[in-house]
Amino acid sequence: DQQVKQNSPSLSVQEGRISILNCDYTNSMFDYFLWYKKYPAEGPTFLISISSIKDKNEDGRFTVFLNKSAKHLSLHIVPSQPGDSAVYFCAASAPPSNTGKLIFGQGTTLQVKP
Amino acid sequence: ETGVTQSPTHLIKTRGQQVTLRCSSQSGHNTVSWYQQALGQGPQFIFQYYREEENGRGNFPPRFSGLQFPNYSSELNVNALELDDSALYLCASSSNTPFMRETQYFGPGTRLLVL
Repeated sequence: DQQVKQNSPSLSVQEGRISILNCDYTNSMFDYFLWYKKYPAEGPTFLISISSIKDKNEDGRFTVFLNKSAKHLSLHIVPSQPGDSAVYFCAASAPPSNTGKLIFGQGTTLQVKP
Repeated sequence: ETGVTQSPTHLIKTRGQQVTLRCSSQSGHNTVSWYQQALGQGPQFIFQYYREEENGRGNFPPRFSGLQFPNYSSELNVNALELDDSALYLCASSSNTPFMRETQYFGPGTRLLVL
């Protein structure tokens, strides 16, 4: 049972345009969501997170939107840069508050073309 | 500040053997989580250690076991290796408190191949 789904395996955008990566989840107990970026031969790098008490969080070029009623979150990257080309994973966690079990999606490979 | 480090980077074992993977957590972090990432999939949670005690476990059999040491470094042990254990093993550290989940920071991983 895949509780976190990234239905688009890949996405290609032009440099300078917006990249939108999507993620759906099924477990209504999830209350904390994160996005990680992964380059080949490296571990995932934390990008941005959002708590379920918010519907938007912004950090520089990265904005995460959370729609709890639709159980959907998205990551917007504006403007996209060639260095953003990587695999992006969304992840979610649920209480109890002091455990860190993250449930990951399958990942979306983003290619930003110069 | 030193990030999360893992050793070895690559490992080849044969079916039935045992393997130990090591992780040094980021400075100031007291919690280590281990994940298995199969090819083309997202990481899957194996277990977490907080202050040397197991603090949550995913859907992995008992032949996957771990340890955390007083300096918060950690080991993942896998007994009776199977071909399906071939994967990238990721360690992540964080500074959990009893009431807060903190961001997990990942190491580069150990790629295990079981023949």
